[in-house]
Amino acid sequence: GNSVTQMEGPVTLSEEAFLTINCTYTATGYPSLFWYVQYPGEGLQLLLKATKADDKGSNKGFEATYRKETTSFHLEKGSVQVSDSAVYFCAFKTSGGSYIPTFGRGTSLIVHP
Amino acid sequence: NAGVTQTPKFQVLKTGQSMTLQCAQDMNHNSMYWYRQDPGMGLRLIYYSASEGTTDKGEVPNGYNVSRLNKREFSLRLESAAPSQTSVYFCATRQGKGGDEKLFFGSGTQLSVL
Repeated sequence: GNSVTQMEGPVTLSEEAFLTINCTYTATGYPSLFWYVQYPGEGLQLLLKATKADDKGSNKGFEATYRKETTSFHLEKGSVQVSDSAVYFCAFKTSGGSYIPTFGRGTSLIVHP
Repeated sequence: NAGVTQTPKFQVLKTGQSMTLQCAQDMNHNSMYWYRQDPGMGLRLIYYSASEGTTDKGEVPNGYNVSRLNKREFSLRLESAAPSQTSVYFCATRQGKGGDEKLFFGSGTQLSVL
């Protein structure tokens, strides 16, 4: 069935380090892919998305490229800040039907000064 | 800009008690959702409502009921709370369609069932 697999956390980095959070999906057809971020004490908010193969989503210095050949959507940032500390969720939504995204388990990122 | 408002923010219940989690949105969105978030499990869909007057089960509906009272409000009821329902509950709404959708989430209700 449809599923999303994210790397387990927590991911602990020093400020200005390079970040990669891996995400792979199993889905039929051509899903839309998303990264949501949850800051402490808040609900999730959309960080970026990509709707077709080879699309690159970007926002706030974060990027992710829709790789259909490897069914992946890895999140990257060149230089993380303490304020990026949060939980990051990979998600996808298959085409057609009701809009019901499937979320991964989330990856906690902790950035130290 | 209120967005999606959930009440209460925190709640402690005893096993067997009932309660209703409230969710209201001021964005005029048709679709609304209830998720629960558990450590290591991510978000799991409990129920959703594609439009006023309709509701459908999600992945984990057992032990819950919902009411889409009007376009603004979507409530989640626990008739007889169990410790397994200890979780953080999020309400969300959907904006857009046709590949341009995004979800807006409330700030959550932290529920403990003793």
